[in-house]
Amino acid sequence: QSALTQPASVSGSPGQSITISCTGTSSDVGGYNYVSWYQQHPGKAPKLMIYEVSNRPSGVSNRFSGSKSGNTASLTISGLQAEDEADYYCSSYTSSSPVVFGGGTKLTVL
Amino acid sequence: QLQLQESGPGLVKPSETLSLTCTVSGGSISSSSYYWGWIRQPPGKGLEWIGSIYYSGSTYYNPSLKSRVTISVDTSKNQFSLKLSSVTAADTAVYYCARFVVVVAANDYWGQGTLVTVSS
Repeated sequence: QSALTQPASVSGSPGQSITISCTGTSSDVGGYNYVSWYQQHPGKAPKLMIYEVSNRPSGVSNRFSGSKSGNTASLTISGLQAEDEADYYCSSYTSSSPVVFGGGTKLTVL
Repeated sequence: QLQLQESGPGLVKPSETLSLTCTVSGGSISSSSYYWGWIRQPPGKGLEWIGSIYYSGSTYYNPSLKSRVTISVDTSKNQFSLKLSSVTAADTAVYYCARFVVVVAANDYWGQGTLVTVSS
């Protein structure tokens, strides 16, 4: 079970938009519309931000959006705010297990 | 509001068995809509899924840990538990329990996490 591939870090200025990619295979990201994204602030538990590729749970800002093309899923954050600075993890259902996580991406708001 | 709370020793000796329990409050662990899982995070590193269990006892485990992991459920206490045997320093991590929503394949509620250190 290999982890999904994410960039180690991304950065952006307040008000800008950033995109975090999550690359897998046809056995996980590409094969199912069950990609989710989690936000984790230091010392805190992860928080579900996106499920089923592009759906937001109640209470999550519409500045967060998700998409998928082939074996790569993406999380876009528009109108960056200081509070968005955190680690972000993607996750996917796979053909062999219900969960595999990406390696995580550290978002820095400049 | 659903809450999950991990409990167990914060220090385990090498080669021994790590044991943690997750207590679920504000909802029933016996719902057909959810699995209940364990996820860990070594200091400064990413998330690793350990395994998940259904209220009936059906389990899924991470293949890389399968030989050392046992997850069980006690519906009478609304709890589920993790046992990880033959631990080494590499098993030092924050361990989270979480609810897995089957129809959307996502973890929507998480415990606060508990740090387990493997050291003599």
